Amino acid sequence: QVQLQESGPGLVRPSQTLSLTCTVSGGSMSSYNHYWSWIRQPAGKGLEWIGRIYTGGSTNYNPSLKSRVTVSIDTSKNQFSLKLSSVTAADTAVYYCARAPPPSYYFDYWGQGTLVTVSS
Amino acid sequence: DIQLTQSPSFLSASVGDRVTITCRASQDISSYLAWYQQKPGKAPNLLIYGASTLQSGVPSRFSGSGSGTEFTLTISSLQPEDFATYYCQQLNSYLTWTFGQGTKVEIK
Repeated sequence: QVQLQESGPGLVRPSQTLSLTCTVSGGSMSSYNHYWSWIRQPAGKGLEWIGRIYTGGSTNYNPSLKSRVTVSIDTSKNQFSLKLSSVTAADTAVYYCARAPPPSYYFDYWGQGTLVTVSS
Repeated sequence: DIQLTQSPSFLSASVGDRVTITCRASQDISSYLAWYQQKPGKAPNLLIYGASTLQSGVPSRFSGSGSGTEFTLTISSLQPEDFATYYCQQLNSYLTWTFGQGTKVEIK
């Protein structure tokens, strides 16, 4: 059974960089031709797709966040990561990682989510 | 970028009701659409992918239809555990992915 687990600081200071890691268990990431994605959800609001990385390393980002986002992957550790720079209070949200398998690339497995608060 | 507009944003219904939620895309996305259910404090759960394929383990009262720019999620007979928020998502791999704004289904 595939499981995803987000980890990282729950509090980030304004203007700093938010860093999160998603650890995948239940199978080797390098065995999958999947997309691995980050999604966030501010309290009481809808889902916002942040970006994705292919197992091979190619990335795509939400245009509204593209200038501040980097998603990377380390298949040797079965992890992928999110960095969001120059954060403000508007970046406070629950952050989810998720897996998207081919050919339809729907999100079939999600992490439980981690709350990141941007505050001084 | 492709925009997804769900309607209604809020829906009040009774157990046993037939419920339909619509998702409209700003451009043709073929059948690259998924539907998710989210309950408070939980990650979304995949219901439908490829616009109409039921995910394994999802009750058959859920169904999806549509292609191109207009899609629907139907719950044939609303059950107490179905009160939740529903999101559509377009997932054309050549484009950035987006979610609809959500439809909250509450008990009448």
